[in-house]
Amino acid sequence: KNQVEQSPQSLIILEGKNCTLQCNYTVSPFSNLRWYKQDTGRGPVSLTIMTFSENTKSNGRYTATLDADTKQSSLHITASQLSDSASYICVVSAPYSGGGADGLTFGKGTHLIIQP
Amino acid sequence: NAGVTQTPKFQVLKTGQSMTLQCAQDMNHNSMYWYRQDPGMGLRLIYYSASEGTTDKGEVPNGYNVSRLNKREFSLRLESAAPSQTSVYFCASSWVRGSGYNEQFFGPGTRLTVL
Repeated sequence: KNQVEQSPQSLIILEGKNCTLQCNYTVSPFSNLRWYKQDTGRGPVSLTIMTFSENTKSNGRYTATLDADTKQSSLHITASQLSDSASYICVVSAPYSGGGADGLTFGKGTHLIIQP
Repeated sequence: NAGVTQTPKFQVLKTGQSMTLQCAQDMNHNSMYWYRQDPGMGLRLIYYSASEGTTDKGEVPNGYNVSRLNKREFSLRLESAAPSQTSVYFCASSWVRGSGYNEQFFGPGTRLTVL
């Protein structure tokens, strides 16, 4: 069964500090991996999409890495700000398999709290 | 552009009542989706529509029906609401079906409580 595991479940850091969120997956075959940011009470917003050939992708202070061999990804946040407080969701995509699935497997997310 | 809009934002139902959640997108996307999000669980796909005129079941379709009214609109109907359907419902859209190299855009969500 395709699975996406995220760690830690929750994380509290001080404003200005860096942090790294982890995503391990068993999805196979693999098409692409996405990171979303979900603010409290809002819908998820895409941060990055990476294929197996992309090792690193940045979006401002967010940098995602992907190791397709070990099936691991990380999201690094640099110089955290209060506005980074949110849940971060890892989503792994497999090629369309038919039978009613859209090919996406969602992780449960990491809840990040930035303290002043 | 408004992106993906959902109505209503909040709803309280009694067990057995019916309702329809509305979703519309103005990005000319082909594919649209309905997800539910429960505490401690990831987003789970209820139904999706790869293109206008088609719909497919997702992971948790029981108790729901959908209608792809046109390219812009995709509605989710609860025929006889149950407490187990208390959740936050998100509509999303993308250029093509979910597993393609394309971004999904999510709506703000509908918070549904079934008493």
